Amino acid sequence: AQSVAQPEDQVNVAEGNPLTVKCTYSVSGNPYLFWYVQYPNRGLQFLLKYITGDNLVKGSYGFEAEFNKSQTSFHLKKPSALVSDSALYFCAVRGPGAGSYQLTFGKGTKLSVIP
Amino acid sequence: ETGVTQTPRHLVMGMTNKKSLKCEQHLGHNAMYWYKQSAKKPLELMFVYSLEERVENNSVPSRFSPECPNSSHLFLHLHTLQPEDSALYLCASSQDPSGGPYEQYFGPGTRLTVT
Repeated sequence: AQSVAQPEDQVNVAEGNPLTVKCTYSVSGNPYLFWYVQYPNRGLQFLLKYITGDNLVKGSYGFEAEFNKSQTSFHLKKPSALVSDSALYFCAVRGPGAGSYQLTFGKGTKLSVIP
Repeated sequence: ETGVTQTPRHLVMGMTNKKSLKCEQHLGHNAMYWYKQSAKKPLELMFVYSLEERVENNSVPSRFSPECPNSSHLFLHLHTLQPEDSALYLCASSQDPSGGPYEQYFGPGTRLTVT
């Protein structure tokens, strides 16, 4: 079975400061890892993914995430937060292999960027 | 816009009504998904269609009935729902019908309220 944990329900950060949203996962084999963002009354938008290779993945809107296999983590980061980054962020994992349709999501972390 | 549209955006229905949710993707993808998003709970995968064939049904009650007439359209037929079925229903699509490392693209969702 695969699982995702987002240990923080909410993260508050001042505008211009760096932000980190934490994610840890559990899966058999090498994982595919994803970050999504959800704005109010909208669906989820894809931000970035890790498949293999470089542990630092860059994505949309200046976001990046660092894959750490030994800590089974995939934390989302941004060097300088914007008020418009305030939203709900979801980490997701899928195990390898054909027929692996199940994309398991975390419960989400609400990010509030304070002006 | 993600290339996935959903109608209606909002729906209020009584427990004895029959209604349908519609999803259309304009991305040329081969797989489509229905998710349920409830407050304070992780996204729940309901159904997966790959190349128009249902390949996953995650123990969803029979009062939810999916239909995929072609690779661009997905429906969720609803009948005799319960108040606990009130939620945001999200449709998604992806490139790879066998799972794999491809991200899913989500529609804006239908906010369903069962009275």
